[in-house]
Amino acid sequence: GDSVTQMEGPVTLSEEAFLTINCTYTATGYPSLFWYVQYPGEGLQLLLKATKADDKGSNKGFEATYRKETTSFHLEKGSVQVSDSAVYFCALRPFGNEKLTFGTGTRLTIIP
Amino acid sequence: GAVVSQHPSWVICKSGTSVKIECRSLDFQATTMFWYRQFPKQSLMLMATSNEGSKATYEQGVEKDKFLINHASLTLSTLTVTSAHPEDSSFYICSAREVSAGEQFFGPGTRLTVL
Repeated sequence: GDSVTQMEGPVTLSEEAFLTINCTYTATGYPSLFWYVQYPGEGLQLLLKATKADDKGSNKGFEATYRKETTSFHLEKGSVQVSDSAVYFCALRPFGNEKLTFGTGTRLTIIP
Repeated sequence: GAVVSQHPSWVICKSGTSVKIECRSLDFQATTMFWYRQFPKQSLMLMATSNEGSKATYEQGVEKDKFLINHASLTLSTLTVTSAHPEDSSFYICSAREVSAGEQFFGPGTRLTVL
């Protein structure tokens, strides 16, 4: 079945550091890929998405590129801020299916 | 826009009792709502998909008689955990899919503790 494997946390970085959170997936066909963010006390929010190979999703300085050859969708940000502290979830949705499959989440803490 | 609320945000109950959790889409109509369960340091696991006015579709391994789902309107779905036991203690999250869009919007979750 479909699955998502993401980098285990927690991850702690200093402000303005470069961030990478790895995500790889297993799925048949061509799924859509997502990154969700969960701030403390809030629900999951869609951060960015990509629906086909080589698409790059971007939002709030975060980027991720859909790499079919490596089945990856790594999340990156060039300079993180304290306000980026949250839990990040990688997810996939199979083509023609509305169900989401999530990774385990990565807790990110940014220290001033 | 696209706000989903859950009530209560946390609940503690005695073993053997039933607990109802509400999920509401506040500013949009949701034909489909999803219920997830999240264990500590683990992923969100889809429990069931509910469509307004019809029976919910449960994922394999989820007991439909224990986790009763009702989606009576386009803005409200409820999950009732019947005869709760300590192993049902978990974080329950709902999401709602807007009629005209493919994206799911998530509620803040409900933490259930069964004593």
